[in-house]
Amino acid sequence: DADVTQTPRNRITKTGKRIMLECSQTKGHDRMYWYRQDPGLGLRLIYYSFDVKDINKGEISDGYSVSRQAQAKFSLSLESAIPNQTALYFCATSPSGYNQPQHFGDGTRLSIL
Amino acid sequence: GENVEQHPSTLSVQEGDSAVIKCTYSDSASNYFPWYKQELGKRPQLIIDIRSNVGEKKDQRIAVTLNKTAKHFSLHITETQPEDSAVYFCAASIAEAGSYQLTFGKGTKLSVIP
Repeated sequence: DADVTQTPRNRITKTGKRIMLECSQTKGHDRMYWYRQDPGLGLRLIYYSFDVKDINKGEISDGYSVSRQAQAKFSLSLESAIPNQTALYFCATSPSGYNQPQHFGDGTRLSIL
Repeated sequence: GENVEQHPSTLSVQEGDSAVIKCTYSDSASNYFPWYKQELGKRPQLIIDIRSNVGEKKDQRIAVTLNKTAKHFSLHITETQPEDSAVYFCAASIAEAGSYQLTFGKGTKLSVIP
């Protein structure tokens, strides 16, 4: 089945390290998103991309960067990780067009010590 | 930007009873309202969505209603079952040229007691 795959699923690292979370999809969708989930805060948008040449900041982009390497790949980087970036990170995809549903990956649980 | 408020934050119901979760949004231009279910340790899954040209939508035991005048929408689950236990998120978006962002509520943890 077409899916959204995130790697790694879990990561523990230290403050100041550079970290990359990867997302790939076989759904053929043009749009990809990165969200952060914290307990009691819901899902907050970090960055989104409508195609390979289009990258947009979301609600909480400070401290993060992204790269859209291909239509099917969208990576999230933390250049110098800090403890308050400990969270569950989700990648999502959607088709082009208005009001299209988003489909999520299984998430990456990131812990920064 | 858009702000979505969701209530209650936790909800416990007896198996077989109905559950209602309510959300309000701030931007009258919002025109798409999906609901996601997230089971423990799993990814959020879309369970139903509604667009602003529709007042109500049903899918078996799940229904969503939308009141654009009051800027609120609700999820209704009838004949609840233990497998309905999960965290439910509402969301709203404004579809306009070159922009499409979902703003999520903070979630409702639903517990169905057998």
